[in-house]
This record gives sequence, structure tokens and C-alpha cells, in this order.
Amino acid sequence: EAGVTQSPTHLIKTRGQQATLRCSPISGHTSVYWYQQALGLGLQFLLWYDEGEERNRGNFPPRFSGRQFPNYSSELNVNALELEDSALYLCASSPGSVLDEQFFGPGTRLTVL
Amino acid sequence: GQQVMQIPQYQHVQEGEDFTTYCNSSTTLSNIQWYKQRPGGHPVFLIQLVKSGEVKKQKRLTFQFGEAKKNSSLHITATQTTDVGTYFCAGPGSGYSTLTFGKGTMLLVSP
Repeated sequence: EAGVTQSPTHLIKTRGQQATLRCSPISGHTSVYWYQQALGLGLQFLLWYDEGEERNRGNFPPRFSGRQFPNYSSELNVNALELEDSALYLCASSPGSVLDEQFFGPGTRLTVL
Repeated sequence: GQQVMQIPQYQHVQEGEDFTTYCNSSTTLSNIQWYKQRPGGHPVFLIQLVKSGEVKKQKRLTFQFGEAKKNSSLHITATQTTDVGTYFCAGPGSGYSTLTFGKGTMLLVSP
């Protein structure tokens, strides 16, 4: 069974640009979660999508947004990039609830210059 | 909002020594999950505890959920170099709207 996949592996952008990160969950999982992991910090919750709807968002500005497609894959968009957005962005999937085990993808390393 | 705190932030042990990390929540948890992230890797689920006072073992790892369901611990007996990584605990937030992760405990094991 294929795990959670994310693309691209690495992304380099300059300040002010926009970044799009993609995630494909495990087959059968309807929930997708996005986390930001900056150097030395823990996992900061960004967004939760389930069945195509945004269920919750963390304490991040509106320039962090996303969506979930009918096939349950998801996209994270970060507009007006700032230097402090440089981090590892992790996507996780679960069958459908925050009570479930989450399966993480390998992450996208975003570097903002 | 809910806070999940872990201590210590970092621990360096000699191979063969024991290791314990502690997790404390500001609110009562319905369950608690533990994850391990190897250097350069992504978090991998280890276990979930649900019942008050529950103790579960996985080989050299012992997980415990407190009686009040507000704290948990992970104990590793006789650490090995393969145990190196950051261990995170996580619990559901209010309304089960998110999974709140602690900041993790980074374990370094010297041979």
C-alpha cells in the first residue's frame, strides 16, 4: 500500500512569491492535515481538510490557504512568502478523525530567500 | 487553548542507559498518541493510549497514560543507537478539531 506522498521534495522561492505544495493521502483516507515544522520547533498545525471541506485551521495568517480535491488529495498555498516561512511542510492523512493515527508524508522543504 | 508540554527538550545518553520523556496536557485528553521522528525523516506513529492508567509495552519501550488522563510518559530501557530521534506526544484539542503536538524530546544516543 502506498504511503502519503508529497511534492515537490524541495522548493526554493524568493520573498513575495507564491508557493504551492501538494499531498496525496493514503488510499481510503479522507482527512488531510498540514503542519509546519520550522527548525528547532515542533509541529505547528496549519490546516485540516476532510471530505473536501476545511474543518479547522491553526493560528496562521490568511496567506496560508489550501484545498482538498474530490480524490482527497490536497494543496497548500502560501502567498506573499516571507523569510520565516522557510520550514519543512508535512502532510498527514487519517481515515477521518483527529482521534485516528496520522500517517505522515516525507514533507516539502520550502526555502525562502 | 490546549497546551501540550514535553520535558526534557533534549537528552543525550550513553548506549545502554535508560531514557524517559514526559508529556503534560493543560486539559484532560480522550487519548494520547506518540510519534517518533528520525533525523531527516518524518513523524511515524508509535502508539495510542486511551484508558486512564493504561500501560503499553513495545519491546524496550513502555508507554503510560496518567490516571487523570492529563499526562503520559515514554520510557526506553537500555537505549540503542537506533533509538535516536525526536519523540512527540499528541492529544486531540477541544472539540476534536485538531491534534496538538508537544514540542518533542530529542534523544541522542552515543555508542
